[in-house]
Amino acid sequence: ETGVTQSPTHLIKTRGQQVTLRCSSQSGHNTVSWYQQALGQGPQFIFQYYREEENGRGNFPPRFSGLQFPNYSSELNVNALELDDSALYLCASSPAAGNEQFFGPGTRLTVL
Amino acid sequence: AQSVTQLGSHVSVSEGALVLLRCNYSSSVPPYLFWYVQYPNQGLQLLLKYTTGATLVKGINGFEAEFKKSETSFHLTKPSAHMSDAAEYFCAVSAIYNQGGKLIFGQGTELSVKP
Repeated sequence: ETGVTQSPTHLIKTRGQQVTLRCSSQSGHNTVSWYQQALGQGPQFIFQYYREEENGRGNFPPRFSGLQFPNYSSELNVNALELDDSALYLCASSPAAGNEQFFGPGTRLTVL
Repeated sequence: AQSVTQLGSHVSVSEGALVLLRCNYSSSVPPYLFWYVQYPNQGLQLLLKYTTGATLVKGINGFEAEFKKSETSFHLTKPSAHMSDAAEYFCAVSAIYNQGGKLIFGQGTELSVKP
């Protein structure tokens, strides 16, 4: 059974650019949540997708957006990148909304 | 609203000593509580969780935690530290009917183990 995978592992962008991060959920999981973990901090909830619909959103601006596909994989898009967007972005999948979440290895985003 | 406070951003113990990592939570509804471990440059791995039932929860790698409602605490313990336990530990709270069970994390505690 394949776990949660994320791509890319690392990437570097400049201020103002746009970025797309990808997540493949664990087999049989229909819910994906995204978290941002700044250096030295705990992860913060960005949003969750359940069966292709947004199912909750944290305190992040609209330039953070997402998608979930019919195979339950997901994308996180960030527009107009700012320096403070530099962080580890974690994706977690679960068998259903509210169930235990299984985390991927994360994508390290650096904004210069 | 829910929140988590982890007391001590850094804890250092000797190999073989007791590990105690403190976590206090705030929740207006019955909480689900979790401890995760994060090794350098890796994602989060679930150590243990409390949802309902027995308040003493046993997890992987010899860790356990006790849910104390009266103290709003969920401290993580391990009787004897091993070098491989050195990592960052996060306590988290959620509620199943709060935005699909989104996790609210504490700031983390870095555990160092001295030989």
